[in-house]
This record gives sequence, structure tokens and C-alpha cells, in this order.
Amino acid sequence: DAGVIQSPRHEVTEMGQEVTLRCKPISGHNSLFWYRQTMMRGLELLIYFNNNVPIDDSGMPEDRFSAKMPNASFSTLKIQPSEPRDSAVYFCASSSGTSAWNEQYFGPGTRLTVT
Amino acid sequence: KQEVTQIPAALSVPEGENLVLNCSFTDSAIYNLQWFRQDPGKGLTSLLLIQSSQREQTSGRLNASLDKSSGRSTLYIAASQPGDSATYLCAVYGANSKLTFGKGITLSVRP
Repeated sequence: DAGVIQSPRHEVTEMGQEVTLRCKPISGHNSLFWYRQTMMRGLELLIYFNNNVPIDDSGMPEDRFSAKMPNASFSTLKIQPSEPRDSAVYFCASSSGTSAWNEQYFGPGTRLTVT
Repeated sequence: KQEVTQIPAALSVPEGENLVLNCSFTDSAIYNLQWFRQDPGKGLTSLLLIQSSQREQTSGRLNASLDKSSGRSTLYIAASQPGDSATYLCAVYGANSKLTFGKGITLSVRP
């Protein structure tokens, strides 16, 4: 099993540019989660999907952030326009089952730097 | 709102020492609690998951306990090794259907 795959691993962009982060969950998992990690706030849940449907997006900081899951094997997190305060590590995680409390498996993360 | 606290933020011990990492949470209405390990620049690796009905879980040199009523969990590491050096995060699944994380304890095991 390849685990959760995220791309790119590192992204450096200028303020105002669009950023798209990608995630491939573990095959057979039907829940997918996007998290953001910063030194100040730690790990925070942004949004999670179950069976490709967004269940809770209350953690999405503002309208500049959007996430999609067009099929069971792919999800994107988009930031448009990006700002320096968006600099963080973004993690994707997946789990089996229908509940957020099933064990989650994390990808390696994407380190985003917005200058 | 659920809050998870891990104190101290950093810990340094000599190799071979047995140690305990603490985690506390404010809302005892949780479904389970999970301990993760994070190496620098890497993702999170799940170490142990304790269901709310359980009191402890063991994996090798690791033992995690859960006391829901007092809002506490501990991760016990036996015979620590330099390879155990990492950040250890505690996270709880609560009634808000979210995984709430502590900020982690950065452990350094000195050879």
C-alpha cells in the first residue's frame, strides 16, 4: 500500500497567485481530511469528505480556500488568491468507515510558502 | 470547545530512561484518543488509538492510557532510544466529529 500521496511536497509562490494542492487517499478509504499545521496554531482540520461529499467545512478559513473531491481517489485544496499568512504545511489524511473518529492515516504534507 | 494540552512542549532525556508524556483535554465526551509521532519535515504516523471504552493500549515499548473522567491520557515509552526522538502529538475525537490536536511534545533522547 502506497499510503496517502500528496503533491507537490513543496510549493513556493508569490502573493496573489493561485495554489492547488493534491491528494490521493489510500485505496478503499472513503473519508478524506485536509489539515493545516502552523507553529502558532498547531494542526487544524480544514474540511473533510465522506464518500466524496463535503461533510464539514467549518474549518476553512475564508472564501479564498476551496476543496473538491471529484472521485474516490483524488482531492484538491485550492487557495486563490494566496497570501503570506497561508504559509503552512498542509496535510491530507484518509480513513475507512463513515465516521470522523475512525483511525486516520496521514500523507507527508505539502509545505507552502507564500512570499 | 475542545482543547487539548500537552505539557511540557519539549523534553530531553538520556538513552535508556523510561518516560511519560502527558495529554489533557477539556471535554470528556470523546469517542477515542490517538497518539501520533511526527518526525521533522514528515507527516504523522499513528502510534496508538484508544477507544473511549478502553483504558489502555500497548504496542511494543509504548503504552497509552486513557482516563476520560479526568480528561487525561499518558504515553509511556520504555527504555527510550535515540530513534525515539520526534514530536509526539495527542489528538481526541470528540462530539464535534473532529480530531482536535495538542501542539505536541518534542522529545530528544540523548545517546
